[in-house]
Amino acid sequence: QVQVVQSGAELRKPGASVKVSCKASGYTFTTYGINWVRQAPGQGLEWMGWISTYHGHTHYAQRFQGRVSMTTDTSTTTAYMEMRSLRPDDTAVYFCARVSTVFGAVVSDAFDIWGQGTMVTVSS
Amino acid sequence: QSVLTQAPSVSAAPGQNVTISCFESGSNIGNNSVSWYQQLPGTAPKLLIYENHKRPSGIPDRFSGSKSGTSATLGITGLQPGDEADYYCATWDTSLSARYVFGIGTKVTVL
Repeated sequence: QVQVVQSGAELRKPGASVKVSCKASGYTFTTYGINWVRQAPGQGLEWMGWISTYHGHTHYAQRFQGRVSMTTDTSTTTAYMEMRSLRPDDTAVYFCARVSTVFGAVVSDAFDIWGQGTMVTVSS
Repeated sequence: QSVLTQAPSVSAAPGQNVTISCFESGSNIGNNSVSWYQQLPGTAPKLLIYENHKRPSGIPDRFSGSKSGTSATLGITGLQPGDEADYYCATWDTSLSARYVFGIGTKVTVL
């Protein structure tokens, strides 16, 4: 079935980096982009950015530019989100979610399939 | 930049109907379509409504969406205990720095 499955929970110290993976299956990987959304404890959803799996172009939310990198590996149908210089307020559940694209351009308002989430804890 | 405003909470008894509104400070809801997501406690968000009023396969017709001007509305009829969740509206902000914007979320409590 169509699904995206994320890597497991991570614990990092402040200043470190973390890389979360999102493995897609059950559909043609390059016809959907991958978004990353995070949710701090008790808070709402925050969009971080997205990557086109078709040509690898990325677009990051302004507040994450310079600290986040999103990549994909089409051979393994996996997307990755790496965040550097982690701070305690980066502690959150990180979700990947797919969005429909045509030739790499977003054509939908909806994130229709979500990963289960990856808890990232930043603590000394 | 756009901000999507939702009431923080709404409550109703089983069987009743509820509506959740989403108001936008800019003009993106007027120019772009709106999605709605349901997040049950401890789980990932789930798409409920897309393109203002369409339901993905498997979403019951108790859930409906509409849009008028710079506001959108999610309706739930025949409220059930399993509907107790957080509900988020969302849209693309296609202003200067394109981004996807979520509302602050509305907690629906089934009394």
